[in-house]
Amino acid sequence: AQSVTQLDSHVSVSEGTPVLLRCNYSSSYSPSLFWYVQHPNKGLQLLLKYTSAATLVKGINGFEAEFKKSETSFHLTKPSAHMSDAAEYFCVVRGMNSGYSTLTFGKGTMLLVSP
Amino acid sequence: DGGITQSPKYLFRKEGQNVTLSCEQNLNHDAMYWYRQDPGQGLRLIYYSQIVNDFQKGDIAEGYSVSREKKESFPLTVTSAQKNPTAFYLCASSRERGTEAFFGQGTRLTVV
Repeated sequence: AQSVTQLDSHVSVSEGTPVLLRCNYSSSYSPSLFWYVQHPNKGLQLLLKYTSAATLVKGINGFEAEFKKSETSFHLTKPSAHMSDAAEYFCVVRGMNSGYSTLTFGKGTMLLVSP
Repeated sequence: DGGITQSPKYLFRKEGQNVTLSCEQNLNHDAMYWYRQDPGQGLRLIYYSQIVNDFQKGDIAEGYSVSREKKESFPLTVTSAQKNPTAFYLCASSRERGTEAFFGQGTRLTVV
């Protein structure tokens, strides 16, 4: 079975400074990994995905993530935070569960952006 | 406009009553999922279905039931056996193994 650990429940940054949201995963298979963003009382929107192509993945709104197999990490970064980036972020791994492909979510990281 | 529609957005239920949450997708996806979200706990899988007339229990299926009679629809019933039903429920669908899931806007269920 696969699992995901998001290392910070909350991250606070100032507008214009870099963002780093950390994610470690475990999976018995070559994983597919995703980052989603959720604004309050909304559904989840896909930011980016890794599916065994390039290890540096670029997503929407200036976000990117690097897959590091040796470290089993998939950290999300952005060079410069905007106020609109304030939301909750989920790291997700797709893997096999009793012969079926399912998604396993981390517990989320709340990103707070101050002016 | 393709997507996933969940209804209603807000739902109130009295203790002891069953309630059904609707999820419809027009993306022609085979797989559909139901997740429950509680503060600080991320999303936990309730049920999933890879094809019509087939579904599997997820991590927290007790007190819930589903059906998958049509490819487009995957309703979730929260039964009176569910001890703590107040939560935000999210439905999702995906095309095939290894691809991302697309989410509806969620239903917030409150037991009063």
